[in-house]
Amino acid sequence: DADVTQTPRNRITKTGKRIMLECSQTKGHDRMYWYRQDPGLGLRLIYYSFDVKDINKGEISDGYSVSRQAQAKFSLSLESAIPNQTALYFCATSDGTGGKYEQFFGPGTRLTVL
Amino acid sequence: SQQGEEDPQALSIQEGENATMNCSYKTSINNLQWYRQNSGRGLVHLILIRSNEREKHSGRLRVTLDTSKKSSSLLITASRAADTASYFCATAGGSNYKLTFGKGTLLTVNP
Repeated sequence: DADVTQTPRNRITKTGKRIMLECSQTKGHDRMYWYRQDPGLGLRLIYYSFDVKDINKGEISDGYSVSRQAQAKFSLSLESAIPNQTALYFCATSDGTGGKYEQFFGPGTRLTVL
Repeated sequence: SQQGEEDPQALSIQEGENATMNCSYKTSINNLQWYRQNSGRGLVHLILIRSNEREKHSGRLRVTLDTSKKSSSLLITASRAADTASYFCATAGGSNYKLTFGKGTLLTVNP
């Protein structure tokens, strides 16, 4: 869905490098999320933000940080990448008004840490 | 840790058959959602059922929720090859907006 975009789509990097994954949305949603997906483990929540000034840790935040630069932008950083951070990363958004709870996902970023 | 657990992990059926996937969860919920993921792509929301609902329909999809058993099922009727995907349940507990996903069921529909 082009309403939620992620850059880059693929990235190969080396252990110890700093990496930033970016997410932008044109849906006008206030809530944004970062997940990682590993084979056989489903999706796990890394960080979430309910508005620009509200950032919360998810289930697996260690080794990651985030920045909500604007309502439409939410970036995920790996300060010093390690091989077990190799995964598929997804950004998602949802609308916090009117009792709508479904999330809309970006296409994902495949990150490989060597 | 995952809240929802889907069963079976994998399901293979013939086109035209019905597919049923189950989801069990551990704690009380506000709503339960089902998502579909085509290989390596983003998840797509299918249907949401609230904790005070027992059944919901959307096209060929039927979702049931039994809060006493902490379980839900997703039925896809008259399956098509294009239904081949992974299906995930996701539960929302204290916050309606924070979801916990299961590990998914891989459905293969053979032509």
